Amino acid sequence: GAGVSQSPRYKVAKRGQDVALRCDPISGHVSLFWYQQALGQGPEFLTYFQNEAQLDKSGLPSDRFFAERPEGSVSTLKIQRTQQEDSAVYLCASSFRDRVESDTQYFGPGTRLTVL
Amino acid sequence: GDSVTQMEGPVTLSEEAFLTINCTYTATGYPSLFWYVQYPGEGLQLLLKATKADDKGSNKGFEATYRKETTSFHLEKGSVQVSDSAVYFCALSERGADGLTFGKGTHLIIQP
Repeated sequence: GAGVSQSPRYKVAKRGQDVALRCDPISGHVSLFWYQQALGQGPEFLTYFQNEAQLDKSGLPSDRFFAERPEGSVSTLKIQRTQQEDSAVYLCASSFRDRVESDTQYFGPGTRLTVL
Repeated sequence: GDSVTQMEGPVTLSEEAFLTINCTYTATGYPSLFWYVQYPGEGLQLLLKATKADDKGSNKGFEATYRKETTSFHLEKGSVQVSDSAVYFCALSERGADGLTFGKGTHLIIQP
């Protein structure tokens, strides 16, 4: 299929390790979003890309979180010096147009990060 | 800031029962409203949406009407099936905002 894919699906890290989470959006989609979903909660917005430009990173919880989308397609969310509170499912979504509030966002299956 | 409140779960119903999951929102502007569903082991997928007042979104027998006067977007289905068992999320998106604002989700369990 041509949906949003994420890898790895599961990641276990020791506290203090760095991790990198990958997102492959639907081909041709301009907008890419990252969300963090804690257990039993709804997803919370982290950051937004329009093509390769990161236009909003207001939801990133600390400067240990960094995201990039250098060629306007694949995106990587990096977390440095992981902490236990970083344990969550990280969701990636893409949409066809840019910053249109009515557009459908298509979600990937998520990466479940567990920090021990 | 924007927020979405939806009824706490789990909600347990028998097959063919009528379903309502309540959703109310707080927004500074005039948002678009969405229901997303997450089936077991799968990712979030859009169920339905409405972009202006009095619009009704519908899909797979589910409906929700955008009620600006009560700031609500309640999800309804006339006769649920076991296959409807999932977690349902109400969400909004405001003009100029860069992401969706989600509720906490409602876990629906349909028993045969």
